Amino acid sequence: DTAVSQTPKYLVTQMGNDKSIKCEQNLGHDTMYWYKQDSKKFLKIMFSYNNKELIINETVPNRFSPKSPDKAHLNLHINSLELGDSAVYFCASSQTGRAEAFFGQGTRLTVV
Amino acid sequence: QQQVKQSPQSLIVQKGGISIINCAYENTAFDYFPWYQQFPGKGPALLIAIRPDVSEKKEGRFTISFNKSAKQFSLHIMDSQPGDSATYFCAASAGNMLTFGGGTRLMVKP
Repeated sequence: DTAVSQTPKYLVTQMGNDKSIKCEQNLGHDTMYWYKQDSKKFLKIMFSYNNKELIINETVPNRFSPKSPDKAHLNLHINSLELGDSAVYFCASSQTGRAEAFFGQGTRLTVV
Repeated sequence: QQQVKQSPQSLIVQKGGISIINCAYENTAFDYFPWYQQFPGKGPALLIAIRPDVSEKKEGRFTISFNKSAKQFSLHIMDSQPGDSATYFCAASAGNMLTFGGGTRLMVKP
């Protein structure tokens, strides 16, 4: 059973489009995250959701909006995509009070 | 400002050798220091972690050494194997938020 799953794995789209990435975890965790990994492999947190409430937003452009319908799901919506948004986006989850984060397999977003 | 600095950026080791990756942090509020291993096309996977109340933790061939006064910690991979070839990330956290180092690409030559 996959613990943290993301869809799609690859996403190629044109500039200006709006796209979404879905994430689901079956670990029973109550905190979920979105991380961005750039071309140099640097990992940076974008959002953290705890019990459906946003608790971290690391100066991400407001074109990016996380949506959490329940504590097992955290989707990422991106509006007006730009070339610089091309990266690998990772969803992760952890239990509140524990920093051990479990990551999904990533979504490689390419904006052309 | 990079709160966790990792070195080297890349490392080549012969099979059977010792791989050593170093990290330094600035925020004294950090209280959890994990290492993640990432293979191409995969997400980072937790490898081993340490808390600042101990100076060393060993799990199989992987050892974390921690120096609280110097605000440094390192990963040692003993008897390195070609299957260990991956990118390794150190991280640090205070609470739930993980701050990652820049990563080290390790290649173990057979």
